Amino acid sequence: LAKTTQPISMDSYEGQEVNITCSHNNIATNDYITWYQQFPSQGPRFIIQGYKTKVTNEVASLFIPADRKSSTLSLPRVSLSDTAVYYCLVGDPEGYSSASKIIFGSGTRLSIRP
Amino acid sequence: GAVVSQHPSRVICKSGTSVKIECRSLDFQATTMFWYRQFPKQSLMLMATSNEGSKATYEQGVEKDKFLINHASLTLSTLTVTSAHPEDSSFYICSAPGTSGRAGDTQYFGPGTRLTVL
Repeated sequence: LAKTTQPISMDSYEGQEVNITCSHNNIATNDYITWYQQFPSQGPRFIIQGYKTKVTNEVASLFIPADRKSSTLSLPRVSLSDTAVYYCLVGDPEGYSSASKIIFGSGTRLSIRP
Repeated sequence: GAVVSQHPSRVICKSGTSVKIECRSLDFQATTMFWYRQFPKQSLMLMATSNEGSKATYEQGVEKDKFLINHASLTLSTLTVTSAHPEDSSFYICSAPGTSGRAGDTQYFGPGTRLTVL
């Protein structure tokens, strides 16, 4: 399982673009990168998933360089409601073993100010 | 999208009692579900993997006799905290993987259950 490393915390202001980078040096060939958002006292919520290059959906973009050893979650024009903890995870959706598991890293606590 | 529910959302109990937490996949089947525990200001810690039709797989350091897991059907897994003590107070979250059923697939998380043991 690839271990991920993220900044513990980040601060930004409303309307700004926020980029959170995750390091996963030991990512395996079949691993995908998935980002989750968690608000206090709630379960994590899926944001975006990608394998390489760039993925964009209605809430975020995910940039993955060619070596795939890192990834960057980009949140455009954040608002106060984007204050949350963001987790980067890597794993193989078609893993060989159903007993394989995903380990959460520390996550990044993002605080958005007015 | 896929929805996972948990019941109850919060529970307060006396020390020594047992508490059952249910995790349901509402619109899809899940042969595998995962149970996590989260303490304040900390990340999610995987406790066990719940497997429909077979025994759960527990992570190192998690007492299987204290945290009983039963995967009764393709849509229901239960976690029973037996003889709960104040140190078991935590936020318990379950998840079910997406279409592949594998841990590495997109996980759909329940809303969590806040357990407080007095």
